Amino acid sequence: AQSVTQPDIHITVSEGASLELRCNYSYGATPYLFWYVQSPGQGLQLLLKYFSGDTLVQGIKGFEAEFKRSQSSFNLRKPSVHWSDAAEYFCAVGPPGGYNKLIFGAGTRLAVHP
Amino acid sequence: GAVVSQHPSRVICKSGTSVKIECRSLDFQATTMFWYRQFPKQSLMLMATSNEGSKATYEQGVEKDKFLINHASLTLSTLTVTSAHPEDSSFYICSAFSFGISGDEQFFGPGTRLTVL
Repeated sequence: AQSVTQPDIHITVSEGASLELRCNYSYGATPYLFWYVQSPGQGLQLLLKYFSGDTLVQGIKGFEAEFKRSQSSFNLRKPSVHWSDAAEYFCAVGPPGGYNKLIFGAGTRLAVHP
Repeated sequence: GAVVSQHPSRVICKSGTSVKIECRSLDFQATTMFWYRQFPKQSLMLMATSNEGSKATYEQGVEKDKFLINHASLTLSTLTVTSAHPEDSSFYICSAFSFGISGDEQFFGPGTRLTVL
């Protein structure tokens, strides 16, 4: 079955600390991979995406993610977290060829201590 | 970036009534719109895919007679929850898809929280 697992429901980090949010997926073929961020009252915003090529992808707001095929993972990282990064983060997968039928993980809520 | 709006942002209704939620792409034409449902502390689950001028495609387990979707134009899709019951209470999120804008990205609306009493 196709699924996305985000093992950490809630993470708290101090401002300036590094961050890694985990994402593992189960999919028949190598899917398209995405990370979205959702702030309260706002829609999901795309942070970054992986289709093919370089397995380390850079996104907006200083985020990056690394695709590891052998581990079926697509972890999101940021070297130094800002208070404004506090939000809900969703990992998602979709079929090769387009953005249809995204499958989302349950999300990780990030809190940032000053 | 492209903007998608939803209206209303929040709605409370009595059991048995119908509720309509609008999803609009404000500055682009969306060939496809998607409707998702999100339960607290859970994933977004795709309910249906809506293409302008054609019938929506519903995901397995989603009642098409209960969740009516109309995609009358390239900028508007509506989801009507008919005869709503408390178990329909949820957060409904739409997204709009457009070829050629930011690499064929889905743009998400802010969501509509439905509470059925």
